[in-house]
Amino acid sequence: DTAVSQTPKYLVTQMGNDKSIKCEQNLGHDTMYWYKQDSKKFLKIMFSYNNKELIINETVPNRFSPKSPDKAHLNLHINSLELGDSAVYFCASSQPGVGTEAFFGQGTRLTVV
Amino acid sequence: AQKITQTQPGMFVQEKEAVTLDCTYDTSDQSYGLFWYKQPSSGEMIFLIYQGSYDEQNATEGRYSLNFQKARKSANLVISASQLGDSAMYFCAMREGEGSARQLTFGSGTQLTVLP
Repeated sequence: DTAVSQTPKYLVTQMGNDKSIKCEQNLGHDTMYWYKQDSKKFLKIMFSYNNKELIINETVPNRFSPKSPDKAHLNLHINSLELGDSAVYFCASSQPGVGTEAFFGQGTRLTVV
Repeated sequence: AQKITQTQPGMFVQEKEAVTLDCTYDTSDQSYGLFWYKQPSSGEMIFLIYQGSYDEQNATEGRYSLNFQKARKSANLVISASQLGDSAMYFCAMREGEGSARQLTFGSGTQLTVLP
């Protein structure tokens, strides 16, 4: 039973296309996140949702739009893909509280050509 | 200013030896948590160990221990008896303050290579 699952694992697409990455967690957590890991392996928060409400929206282009239909799902839709969007995108979830670890999905490697 | 600093981009250690991966942090919050994650070449993020700002004892989990020096704002990861399978990228992370949806902020990582 996968705790946090993302699909697809790999995504290759052309510039200008629109794509979505899906994320689901079965841990009963209230909070879900999207992180972007660039080619230098740096992990940066993109969005954070708590009980379906957007809490954190870092300086991410508005071509990126997260959607949370319920607290177990947080999908990421990307419009008009650009070469610089190529990265690994991680979904994660946790309970609130300073001491709770985040559980990560396996990541989606997005390549824009 | 960087919230989490990992100054060692790469480290090498001989199998069966201990290794320390450095992490310093910057926060003005009194309540915060410090985490270490491992990312092997397969790409997944694996939680290793947690230290709370109010914890008086250093955290330990099997071969992993966290050397927490609050006054110096450092939270170094110590791996004892290194194994070949420990070769991976290691990330230090921090969550500040209480409240909902506080994200983890990550350092730039240290690539550890264990030599046979």
